[in-house]
Amino acid sequence: GDSVTQKQGQVTLSEDDFLFINCTYSTTTYPTLFWYVQYPGQGPQLLLKVTTANNKGISRGFEATYDKGTTSFHLQKASVQESDSAVYFCALVEGSNYQLIWGSGTKLIIKP
Amino acid sequence: AQTIHQWPVAEIKAVGSPLSLGCTIKGKSSPNLYWYWQATGGTLQQLFYSITVGQVESVVQLNLSASRPKDDQFILSTEKLLLSHSGFYLCAWSHSHERLFFGHGTKLSVL
Repeated sequence: GDSVTQKQGQVTLSEDDFLFINCTYSTTTYPTLFWYVQYPGQGPQLLLKVTTANNKGISRGFEATYDKGTTSFHLQKASVQESDSAVYFCALVEGSNYQLIWGSGTKLIIKP
Repeated sequence: AQTIHQWPVAEIKAVGSPLSLGCTIKGKSSPNLYWYWQATGGTLQQLFYSITVGQVESVVQLNLSASRPKDDQFILSTEKLLLSHSGFYLCAWSHSHERLFFGHGTKLSVL
């Protein structure tokens, strides 16, 4: 079945560091891909969405590129701030299925 | 603007007691509605979804049930709580099953 893999359970950085969060997926077709961010005590909110029509998503300084060749959708940011501390989830949806397939999440900790 | 409200914010319940969690969406007609469960620091597990009033589909079996009595209301319940029900319950809505809008969640502690 479809799956999303985030191998990094936690990433710890200092302010102004470069962020890279790994996400790979497995499906039989070309899904729509998402990054959601969850701040403490809140529900997740959409950060980026990328379809097969547009290969790259950019939002709030974050960017992710849809790579069909390597089936990856890594999240990057050039310079993180303390306010970026949160859990980041990669997810996909395929076709008309009402179920998002979620990665296990990567907790980002920014040292002040 | 659409708003989503979940209640209660937090609950502490005894094993074997009943539970009812609610979710209301305002400003959006006929939304798709979802219930998710999240263990502390864990991934998101979809429990139920509903695309219309009175119809609810179960995604996983966790001794929970859901109902949609009104277009803008989604209820999650059980008659008998288990320790494993502890966690964070999130309600969400979407227009096209892609982008989800989540509520702030209900933290449930079963003792």
